Amino acid sequence: AQRVTQPEKLLSVFKGAPVELKCNYSYSGSPELFWYVQYSRQRLQLLLRHISRESIKGFTADLNKGETSFHLKKPFAQEEDSAMYYCALKTSGSRLTFGEGTQLTVNP
Amino acid sequence: NAGVTQTPKFRILKIGQSMTLQCTQDMNHNYMYWYRQDPGMGLKLIYYSVGAGITDKGEVPNGYNVSRSTTEDFPLRLELAAPSQTSVYFCASRETLRETQYFGPGTRLLVL
Repeated sequence: AQRVTQPEKLLSVFKGAPVELKCNYSYSGSPELFWYVQYSRQRLQLLLRHISRESIKGFTADLNKGETSFHLKKPFAQEEDSAMYYCALKTSGSRLTFGEGTQLTVNP
Repeated sequence: NAGVTQTPKFRILKIGQSMTLQCTQDMNHNYMYWYRQDPGMGLKLIYYSVGAGITDKGEVPNGYNVSRSTTEDFPLRLELAAPSQTSVYFCASRETLRETQYFGPGTRLLVL
């Protein structure tokens, strides 16, 4: 069965420190993974997808099929990065399975 | 473009009442989705639609119904509301050939 696990519900770092939000998945097919973000009082929106292999707002994520992981990383966290982050796995055709989310707080 | 709009923003229902959550998108997207988000949990898919007249169940469809008579609208119907349906409901849409889902602002529902 498909499953997405984000082991940390809360993550707190200081400004300028590196940050890593963990995501592990379980899927029998070829995985396609995404990170969505919800800033305070804003809508949930796509941050990045593994197929694009791009860096958005300084964040990167690499798909590791051996470890079935798709961790989100940023070398120097900023206060404006404080938000709720969701890892999502594309499953059958049109659907996404979301993890439970990680609330990131970047302290000044 | 307004994107995805949802009404109402907030509603309190009594047990056993029914209501319809409205979702409209003006991006001409074929795919539309309804999710619920319970506190501390991720989003769970309730129903989705790949085009007008076509709907399918998601992960947690019990207690809900949907219809898709137009491309723009995808209402979610709650019959016989129960406290377990207290949640935040999100509607989303996407283009057929692109994976990015665009979300509405959400409807907060409290069933007492």
